[in-house]
This record gives sequence, C-alpha cells and structure tokens, in this order.
Amino acid sequence: QKEVEQDPGPLSVPEGAIVSLNCTYSNSAFQYFMWYRQYSRKGPELLMYTYSSGNKEDGRFTAQVDKSSKYISLFIRDSQPSDSATYLCAMSAWFGNNRLAFGKGNQVVVIP
Amino acid sequence: SQTIHQWPATLVQPVGSPLSLECTVEGTSNPNLYWYRQAAGRGLQLLFYSVGIGQISSEVPQNLSASRPQDRQFILSSKKLLLSDSGFYLCAWSVKGSGEAFFGQGTRLTVV
Repeated sequence: QKEVEQDPGPLSVPEGAIVSLNCTYSNSAFQYFMWYRQYSRKGPELLMYTYSSGNKEDGRFTAQVDKSSKYISLFIRDSQPSDSATYLCAMSAWFGNNRLAFGKGNQVVVIP
Repeated sequence: SQTIHQWPATLVQPVGSPLSLECTVEGTSNPNLYWYRQAAGRGLQLLFYSVGIGQISSEVPQNLSASRPQDRQFILSSKKLLLSDSGFYLCAWSVKGSGEAFFGQGTRLTVV
C-alpha cells in the first residue's frame, strides 16, 4: 500500500461550483498535512497547511483533516477558471528531515 | 522574505553528457534542502535531501548525485545522462522542525 493515495483522475467543473479533492494515507506518524497547487510547467505552490484534525479555512479554500480515518480533503468554493491547476496533497512526520510524501495529484479544470 | 532560485528552466542534453542543476535559497539559514523529480502520472519522487553542508541522503539508487557546498546551495549532478533521466526536477527547502516545504520553479530536462 502506498503511503499516500490520491485518485489522479482529472476533474472538470463549471465556474462557481464547489471542487472537492481528497487523499488517504497509511502512515500514522504523519502530523503535517499540506495541499499544493501546481500550474502547468511550474513548481508546486503551498496552498494550505495544517497539523491538526479539523477544518482550516482560507478565503475560498477549506482544508479538512480526519486523523482517525487517515483522510484529508480540500474544498474550493465558488471555483474560478484561475483555479484550473493540478492539486497535490502532501504530508510529513517529524523524522528530522521533513520528508514529504505526495499524492499523485488531481488535475482540475474550471470551465467558464 | 525567503526565495528559492532554480536554473535553468529548461535543458536539452544528449545521452552520455554531464548534468549540473543548481538551486539557491535566500532569506533563511540552515534550511533542509531537497531534490524531487516529477514524472507524469507518478507524482513527486524524493531523490535527495540535505540537513546541512556536506550532508546528503539519497532516497533512491540512480544515476544522479547531489552536493551541498554551501548552506543555501544545492546541486544535482550526473556524470553521464541516460534517457530515463528526462523529467521535471524540483528543488525545495524547509525550515527544520516545520512540516511544509517550498519549491522552486523547476527544470524540465529532456535527454535525447
């Protein structure tokens, strides 16, 4: 079983819809949970970061972590065409090297 | 503020030629540094990480090597490139004790 599972299937939504993305993980030592946004041919950009179970909101973005189920989610409200990108979940434990384990990423297309 | 510089943005090299990709971080000291490779549909694969000058750990056996000659400089090298070395290479840094990592803009390497 991979450490982090993220269904890489592309997702197309109409502008204004809610985008829902999720990842599951197997390593109970993971404490830090992140979502990155990556535009084509660019490096990943940190979008959301949390280290506790529950919800964290930042504008139109909400990150949700359920450590008991080993499940994290990202919701994008009122999606815009500029949200079209690949979204990667990532997580890490404190091993001394901050090694990040990534999901494969979801390509999201918001159709105007 | 902290910034990370990675160059070149694109590179086309013949099989058997050497490689040197450079990454520098500004605005922080004693960061953890990372080299990742991203292949389509396979997510990000950690190649090397470094917790200090001259300290390099390799995650996967391969044709590449890394060096950290200065605190905020990380170099990815190869003596002889293989076709399979083609990919998108990303440098990243993180603060020790923090779970999040910040990425450069990447180098797209094509070995022909």
